[in-house]
Amino acid sequence: GENVEQHPSTLSVQEGDSAVIKCTYSDSASNYFPWYKQELGKRPQLIIDIRSNVGEKKDQRIAVTLNKTAKHFSLHITETQPEDSAVYFCAAREGSYIPTFGRGTSLIVHP
Amino acid sequence: DSGVTQTPKHLITATGQRVTLRCSPRSGDLSVYWYQQSLDQGLQFLIQYYNGEERAKGNILERFSAQQFPDLHSELNLSSLELGDSALYFCASSPPGTTNSPLHFGNGTRLTVT
Repeated sequence: GENVEQHPSTLSVQEGDSAVIKCTYSDSASNYFPWYKQELGKRPQLIIDIRSNVGEKKDQRIAVTLNKTAKHFSLHITETQPEDSAVYFCAAREGSYIPTFGRGTSLIVHP
Repeated sequence: DSGVTQTPKHLITATGQRVTLRCSPRSGDLSVYWYQQSLDQGLQFLIQYYNGEERAKGNILERFSAQQFPDLHSELNLSSLELGDSALYFCASSPPGTTNSPLHFGNGTRLTVT
């Protein structure tokens, strides 16, 4: 089955800095890669996703890149703000199969 | 609001007891997924239902069971509860017949076993 590794487990940055979270996956058949943000005690919310026919996708301060050859994808957050502080989960999915989630990255943005 | 409704929001019960968690998927979604999230842990997949039938099973304990009803709402039953079952339980849904679609999560049920 699919295995998703996510790094780092904790990321601490100063407000205004950039943050990068990286994930690797094992199953080359995976073709959909969503990212979720989970604030403390709340539900995971989709913030951005990318499909395997695209190398990069951007939405304001958030971007995701995908390298299918190397089987890794990354979340980039620029100009971080305190409200970006949360746990971020990556996931990999093949078609309609169950998505496999990474273990999460706790992002802390210091004012 | 994701459109996925979970009740109750909080549940406090004692060891050995049985509880039922309820989930209503987004309008039009046929798939329901259940996840368990213990403190500072990731999302552990429990089970998926699609249009009333079990579709996939994860690391679900034998003490746990689920079902999806004709109106597509789902219930997760947890029995012989142990302290370690204390966790956030999320339900998620996704549209029918689509691939590469995200899961939409409900607000979760926080279960505390004392």
